[in-house]
Amino acid sequence: AQSVSQHNHHVILSEAASLELGCNYSYGGTVNLFWYVQYPGQHLQLLLKYFSGDPLVKGIKGFEAEFIKSKFSFNLRKPSVQWSDTAEYFCAVRLSGGYQKVTFGTGTKLQVIP
Amino acid sequence: DTGVSQDPRHKITKRGQNVTFRCDPISEHNRLYWYRQTLGQGPEFLTYFQNEAQLEKSRLLSDRFSAERPKGSFSTLEIQRTEQGDSAMYLCASSLDTGSNEKLFFGSGTQLSVL
Repeated sequence: AQSVSQHNHHVILSEAASLELGCNYSYGGTVNLFWYVQYPGQHLQLLLKYFSGDPLVKGIKGFEAEFIKSKFSFNLRKPSVQWSDTAEYFCAVRLSGGYQKVTFGTGTKLQVIP
Repeated sequence: DTGVSQDPRHKITKRGQNVTFRCDPISEHNRLYWYRQTLGQGPEFLTYFQNEAQLEKSRLLSDRFSAERPKGSFSTLEIQRTEQGDSAMYLCASSLDTGSNEKLFFGSGTQLSVL
């Protein structure tokens, strides 16, 4: 069964610091990869996704993620965080094709200090 | 509001009672998911539907849990004989699955507290 690991449970950064959140998945087949974000008091929403093509994916609000197939990783990055990026971030994976469910990681809470 | 709606927002019940939650997806979406989330954890997959067909149910779910999606529109999740361990946020999400470009839209969730 597919699984997703997020090793950083809680990250605290100062504004303007660079961010990298780790995500690893366990399935060796073709996958679709996602990062979802949940701002305080809001719904989960899609930040970015990878389906095929360029492994460097750009999302909203200056976030990007790189799919490294050999490492089974899809790390999220942002060069300079803002206080408004304070949120919980979830990596998710879906096996490509057919009727497949989306599986989420345990999440990383990001706290950005002004 | 044309997003995913869940009702109720909060439910407090006594152990042993049955509860039912409702989810209204975005109208043209053919996929509907139920997830459960507890504090400090990511959304845990429960079940999902493609139109009215229930395609998969988590092996973690006991027989006390059942979900339906009649006519491929709204969905209900019922928990029978609730236990304290069922206390969690129950999330519904919907998507328009085109096979290569799925994006989940989540509702606000139903917070269940079992006393």
